[in-house]
Amino acid sequence: SQQGEEDPQALSIQEGENATMNCSYKTSINNLQWYRQNSGRGLVHLILIRSNEREKHSGRLRVTLDTSKKSSSLLITASRAADTASYFCATDPDSGGGADGLTFGKGTHLIIQP
Amino acid sequence: DAMVIQNPRYQVTQFGKPVTLSCSQTLNHNVMYWYQQKSSQAPKLLFHYYDKDFNNEADTPDNFQSRRPNTSFCFLDIRSPGLGDAAMYLCATSIQRQTPTDTQYFGPGTRLTVL
Repeated sequence: SQQGEEDPQALSIQEGENATMNCSYKTSINNLQWYRQNSGRGLVHLILIRSNEREKHSGRLRVTLDTSKKSSSLLITASRAADTASYFCATDPDSGGGADGLTFGKGTHLIIQP
Repeated sequence: DAMVIQNPRYQVTQFGKPVTLSCSQTLNHNVMYWYQQKSSQAPKLLFHYYDKDFNNEADTPDNFQSRRPNTSFCFLDIRSPGLGDAAMYLCATSIQRQTPTDTQYFGPGTRLTVL
């Protein structure tokens, strides 16, 4: 079953605005990661937040994690045309036996209008 | 530069004709993964290798097999491709299997078309 669900499915904003994407998941996790995928390409890791962390920053990215609500958000500030891509959250379920691969959400397609 | 390489980038095959996709890495990572990503969908894990230890996802069809002859290379074999197997196939690596999971490094993917 799908572990992560992002919303919105698609988001179109003007360059310079902030973009916020949300992710919800169902089971206990060790960590949650965000990846970016440009059209027809592989995924690029953006940021990882562990289950005992609540907020993390990396450049123009800010990620929050609320384990009580099983949700995370990704904020991209001062967006640029080059940020146009699909963004996926991915979870590492806390299965107790070590990592066995990530479960990805359906993704948010972000379009930055120049 | 250390990286994950996938060949070919685009593969066209005929219905039922076996096809092999390849992945190589210069990162010397222990773990290699294969994901299937259909159009506008999330990547879905097919299987992974921790060193030579093969781990198959429960819902991965028997039609899909994998080989890892050494640390650097991993192959995805589709024995009898169907139209529903047309997808992007993504290879990824991580340093080692641990709790919590390490960051995964993805290759550019191979887009498979089945005629």
